[in-house]
Amino acid sequence: AQSVAQPEDQVNVAEGNPLTVKCTYSVSGNPYLFWYVQYPNRGLQFLLKYITGDNLVKGSYGFEAEFNKSQTSFHLKKPSALVSDSALYFCAVRDIEGSSASKIIFGSGTRLSIRP
Amino acid sequence: GAVVSQHPSRVICKSGTSVKIECRSLDFQATTMFWYRQFPKQSLMLMATSNEGSKATYEQGVEKDKFLINHASLTLSTLTVTSAHPEDSSFYICSATTSANTGELFFGEGSRLTVL
Repeated sequence: AQSVAQPEDQVNVAEGNPLTVKCTYSVSGNPYLFWYVQYPNRGLQFLLKYITGDNLVKGSYGFEAEFNKSQTSFHLKKPSALVSDSALYFCAVRDIEGSSASKIIFGSGTRLSIRP
Repeated sequence: GAVVSQHPSRVICKSGTSVKIECRSLDFQATTMFWYRQFPKQSLMLMATSNEGSKATYEQGVEKDKFLINHASLTLSTLTVTSAHPEDSSFYICSATTSANTGELFFGEGSRLTVL
């Protein structure tokens, strides 16, 4: 069964500094990996995904993530944080070794707080 | 594109009544929809996977008679919380995907249910 771990409940970064939100995964086959962001009392917004190809994936709002197969990681990064980036971030994995309706499993979430 | 509309966004009901939440894909056909439940400051818990025209597949521990899911068309899925009790109070989020295995999920804005 697939699983995904976000080891940090909270990440605090000063505005303008680079940020990293960590994610590691476990799947039986090749993973499809995703990052989502959630603002208070809202649904999730898709940021980016890794399916195949370049290990560095670029997404919305200047975010990017690096797929590392040997470390089974998919950390989310941004070179320069904005206060408006403050939100709850979820890493997710979809195991393609399954049915056409394979599930997406979410990590526990990391609250990102950017201070001015 | 890829807009998912969820309604109602907030609902308050008395204990013992039933509540229906609708999830619509507005600009694409969603062969599969997922229903999640999110407790405060926690991750999303997958409740069930719904495929158009067939019975939903429920996750372990989710009562299918309590949470009725119907996916009558390629653009609409409904979740009915039957005989609601205060412990059913939660944030319910639907998501939809196309038939492609690689597809990310597109989320509704969520429905906050409060059972008095």
